[in-house]
Amino acid sequence: DQQVKQNSPSLSVQEGRISILNCDYTNSMFDYFLWYKKYPAEGPTFLISISSIKDKNEDGRFTVFLNKSAKHLSLHIVPSQPGDSAVYFCAASWNSGGSNYKLTFGKGTLLTVNP
Amino acid sequence: EAGVAQSPRYKIIEKRQSVAFWCNPISGHATLYWYQQILGQGPKLLIQFQNNGVVDDSQLPKDRFSAERLKGVDSTLKIQPAKLEDSAVYLCASTTNEAGRGYGYTFGSGTRLTVV
Repeated sequence: DQQVKQNSPSLSVQEGRISILNCDYTNSMFDYFLWYKKYPAEGPTFLISISSIKDKNEDGRFTVFLNKSAKHLSLHIVPSQPGDSAVYFCAASWNSGGSNYKLTFGKGTLLTVNP
Repeated sequence: EAGVAQSPRYKIIEKRQSVAFWCNPISGHATLYWYQQILGQGPKLLIQFQNNGVVDDSQLPKDRFSAERLKGVDSTLKIQPAKLEDSAVYLCASTTNEAGRGYGYTFGSGTRLTVV
């Protein structure tokens, strides 16, 4: 059961333009949503997160938007740079008891930014 | 701060052989995770440790996979015997509890296992 879905396996954009990566989820118990970035032969690295009580979080060129009614979030990268080319994973966090939190991941979207 | 260290980086074995992976988490991180990432998929949790105790191993194929975290620091993940479908990247991650909620985990570079 895929609770976090990234329906676009890949996305290609021109340098300087906006990249929009999308993610849908099914579990209303998720309390944080996170984006991870992964380069080949490296582990995923944390990029940005958003609490379920917010609808927007911004960090430099990266902004995450959350639409709880639609169970949808998106990551906007403006302007896109060639160094942003990587696989982006959407992940969701939930409390599995006490102070114990778990993450579940989507399948990832490969972003290619062309010079 | 030093990152999460994993070794080896790559491993090729024949099916039915055994293999072990090692992870050294960030100092002070009480929680350690092992994830399996099959090509084209997102990371899937195998096991979670809190200090040296197992919190969740519900998705660990216990007939062939085992893991331990001695003294609440380093951890090893073992597969015996390996199957072709075990070919994947095995990722270790660590975190403090509250950081894991909103800031996620710190992952190591992973061990790429190929079973032939």
